Amino acid sequence: AQSVTQLGSHVSVSEGALVLLRCNYSSSVPPYLFWYVQYPNQGLQLLLKYTSAATLVKGINGFEAEFKKSETSFHLTKPSAHMSDAAEYFCAVSDLGNAGGTSYGKLTFGQGTILTVHP
Amino acid sequence: NAGVTQTPKFRILKIGQSMTLQCTQDMNHNYMYWYRQDPGMGLKLIYYSVGAGITDKGEVPNGYNVSRSTTEDFPLRLELAAPSQTSVYFCASTATRARGTEAFFGQGTRLTVV
Repeated sequence: AQSVTQLGSHVSVSEGALVLLRCNYSSSVPPYLFWYVQYPNQGLQLLLKYTSAATLVKGINGFEAEFKKSETSFHLTKPSAHMSDAAEYFCAVSDLGNAGGTSYGKLTFGQGTILTVHP
Repeated sequence: NAGVTQTPKFRILKIGQSMTLQCTQDMNHNYMYWYRQDPGMGLKLIYYSVGAGITDKGEVPNGYNVSRSTTEDFPLRLELAAPSQTSVYFCASTATRARGTEAFFGQGTRLTVV
């Protein structure tokens, strides 16, 4: 079974500091990985995704993530935090699906990391 | 473009009551999903649908039912509500069934069972 683990349920940074949110995955096949963000009282929206192309993936709002197979990691970073980045962030992996090879878009999520940004 | 719309946004139920969470999307997506989100647990898949008339169970289906009579709508029904069903419920849709497809989420329904 596929799984993702997010290290740290809460991360706090100062405005302008580096943001690093950690995600490790477990998968028997090359994974398809996602980072979603949830702003307060809103649904989830896609930040970026890895689908076996470039290992460094750039997303919206200045975020990027690097796929490292040797470390089974897909950590999310942003060089300089902004107050508007305060949200909950979820790492997710696409399910393997059935024998036909389709996952029907189903996702397995990590536990989530709440990012707080201090002035 | 509204995307995925969920109603209601908030609801309080008494134990044993039933209700239907509504979900509609205007993107003509065939694939739709219901997740529940519990603190510190991420999101868990309840049910999903691959088209009108076709649904299947996800990871945590017990206590829920779904139907899909149209492409646009995918309601989730709770029968005999229990405190363990207190959660935030998200409906989502995808355009394709491919592993790398982006999911579009509604704003969620916060349900409390007392």
